[in-house]
Amino acid sequence: AQSVAQPEDQVNVAEGNPLTVKCTYSVSGNPYLFWYVQYPNRGLQFLLKYITGDNLVKGSYGFEAEFNKSQTSFHLKKPSALVSDSALYFCAVRDYVGAGGYNKLIFGAGTRLAVHP
Amino acid sequence: ETGVTQTPRHLVMGMTNKKSLKCEQHLGHNAMYWYKQSAKKPLELMFVYNFKEQTENNSVPSRFSPECPNSSHLFLHLHTLQPEDSALYLCASSQATYRSSTDTQYFGPGTRLTVL
Repeated sequence: AQSVAQPEDQVNVAEGNPLTVKCTYSVSGNPYLFWYVQYPNRGLQFLLKYITGDNLVKGSYGFEAEFNKSQTSFHLKKPSALVSDSALYFCAVRDYVGAGGYNKLIFGAGTRLAVHP
Repeated sequence: ETGVTQTPRHLVMGMTNKKSLKCEQHLGHNAMYWYKQSAKKPLELMFVYNFKEQTENNSVPSRFSPECPNSSHLFLHLHTLQPEDSALYLCASSQATYRSSTDTQYFGPGTRLTVL
């Protein structure tokens, strides 16, 4: 079964410093990986996804993620954190359910990012 | 977030009430989803509709009843809920949901449901 793990419940970063939010995955076959962000009282906003190709994926709001097949990781990064980046971040992997003929996203537990001024 | 809208944004209901959540997507997508987000638990997929046909009922209690009258609208009818059903209910849509599809799911802002 497909799964993702986010080993950190919370990440604290000073504004202007680089940030990393970790995600590891376990899949059979090719992984289709996603990052979403959730601000308070809001839905999930899509940041970026890895399907195939370049291991460094660039997304919205200056975020990028590095796909590492040997380490089965897909860490989210940003060179310089902003206070407004403080939110809940979710890593997800696509799982195809053959019996039903549809895709679904398997989400990690989420990592709360706190960027301090 | 204007691509997928949800109403109401907040709902408080008693256990004997009947209410409905509404989702509308303006993205021309063919697949729509209901997710439940509870405190301290990962997001849970509840229902999937593909071209208006339900393809998944993820062991959801019958007190939750989905309806998809067309590809743009999705409802979640609620009746005789329990306090543990209090959660954020998120709607999402994607272009398609086939094996070869790598489409992104786009989410609405959610309905915060409180069951008293």
